[in-house]
Amino acid sequence: QKEVEQDPGPLSVPEGAIVSLNCTYSNSAFQYFMWYRQYSRKGPELLMYTYSSGNKEDGRFTAQVDKSSKYISLFIRDSQPSDSATYLCAMSAEGVGGGSNYKLTFGKGTLLTVNP
Amino acid sequence: EAGVAQSPRYKIIEKRQSVAFWCNPISGHATLYWYQQILGQGPKLLIQFQNNGVVDDSQLPKDRFSAERLKGVDSTLKIQPAKLEDSAVYLCASSLVFRGATNFGPGTRLTVT
Repeated sequence: QKEVEQDPGPLSVPEGAIVSLNCTYSNSAFQYFMWYRQYSRKGPELLMYTYSSGNKEDGRFTAQVDKSSKYISLFIRDSQPSDSATYLCAMSAEGVGGGSNYKLTFGKGTLLTVNP
Repeated sequence: EAGVAQSPRYKIIEKRQSVAFWCNPISGHATLYWYQQILGQGPKLLIQFQNNGVVDDSQLPKDRFSAERLKGVDSTLKIQPAKLEDSAVYLCASSLVFRGATNFGPGTRLTVT
């Protein structure tokens, strides 16, 4: 079983739709959860970051973490064509020595297309 | 704030040749990472530096890959000799301290023929 599972899609939705992206994981030590957006031929860009369980909202984006189910989600409201990209979930445990000594484990990414 | 810089952006080489990639992190970022992203996959960590020192290189194929970080700033990643399966995008990233804010560069797309 992979540490992080993410449905690669592709996912195609009409403009204005609510998009739901999900990842499951197996490592119960993961505490930090992130969503990255990656446009074609670009590096990943951090969208959302959450620590432990709970919800976090930023504009049209909402990230949810359910540690009891080992399940994280990203919701995009009022989706726009400019949201078309690959969305990567990433997570990390507290590394050796804490602080900045950690590594990110990524899902495969979900390719999203928002059609005008 | 200038982002993470990488060069070259694209490289095509034949198998068994050598290649080197360069990365300049965001100024002041102590932690630098090299990730490998194969087409259709998420990035995989190859090596992590904290200032000059290596923190994690457990997934670096050390028989052919090497990396160094000069004076705790710039870094180079080298592959010698390259194999077909090394075709991927090599992403450099940096962070100040861990708060999830890892900044990625645009990547170097390597094609090994």
